[in-house]
Amino acid sequence: AQSVAQPEDQVNVAEGNPLTVKCTYSVSGNPYLFWYVQYPNRGLQFLLKYITGDNLVKGSYGFEAEFNKSQTSFHLKKPSALVSDSALYFCAVIGLSGGYQKVTFGTGTKLQVIP
Amino acid sequence: KAGVTQTPRYLIKTRGQQVTLSCSPISGHRSVSWYQQTPGQGLQFLFEYFSETQRNKGNFPGRFSGRQFSNSRSEMNVSTLELGDSALYLCASSLTEFQANYGYTFGSGTRLTVV
Repeated sequence: AQSVAQPEDQVNVAEGNPLTVKCTYSVSGNPYLFWYVQYPNRGLQFLLKYITGDNLVKGSYGFEAEFNKSQTSFHLKKPSALVSDSALYFCAVIGLSGGYQKVTFGTGTKLQVIP
Repeated sequence: KAGVTQTPRYLIKTRGQQVTLSCSPISGHRSVSWYQQTPGQGLQFLFEYFSETQRNKGNFPGRFSGRQFSNSRSEMNVSTLELGDSALYLCASSLTEFQANYGYTFGSGTRLTVV
């Protein structure tokens, strides 16, 4: 069965420090991986995606993610955290199920950047 | 261009009532998916429509139903509301049924409170 795990409910990081939000996945075939961010009382906003190609994907707002096939991981990273990065982050995987593309989201990780 | 529009933004209903939520996708987008977001469960997939046909359905009871119109606008209906149906309901639109290529654009959601 297709699944996504975000092992940390919350990540706290000091402003200016590097941040990592973890994501591991399980899917049949080649994975299509996404990161979304959600600010309070808003929908999810697309950050970045991995379809194929370079394992390091660059996205919006200075975020990047590293695809590691052997570890089935797709961790979100940023070299220097900003207070405005504080939000809820969701990892998602797309795989094939019954001939259709199926999207599965993780449970989300709350990122708190401390001034 | 206009984003994904969900109406109403907030709704308070009493147990046993029914409710209809509306979603207007981005112009030209033909795929609409619905998700239920709760603090403990993350995003749970409800259903997906493409060209007025339901292509995929999540593990929700039959009280949850939806439909899509010829202009791609979608509605979801919940009958016999229960307290546990209180959640943020998110609609996401995609250009085609191939989200892996195009990803989702989310609306801001409808916050449903059942009392």
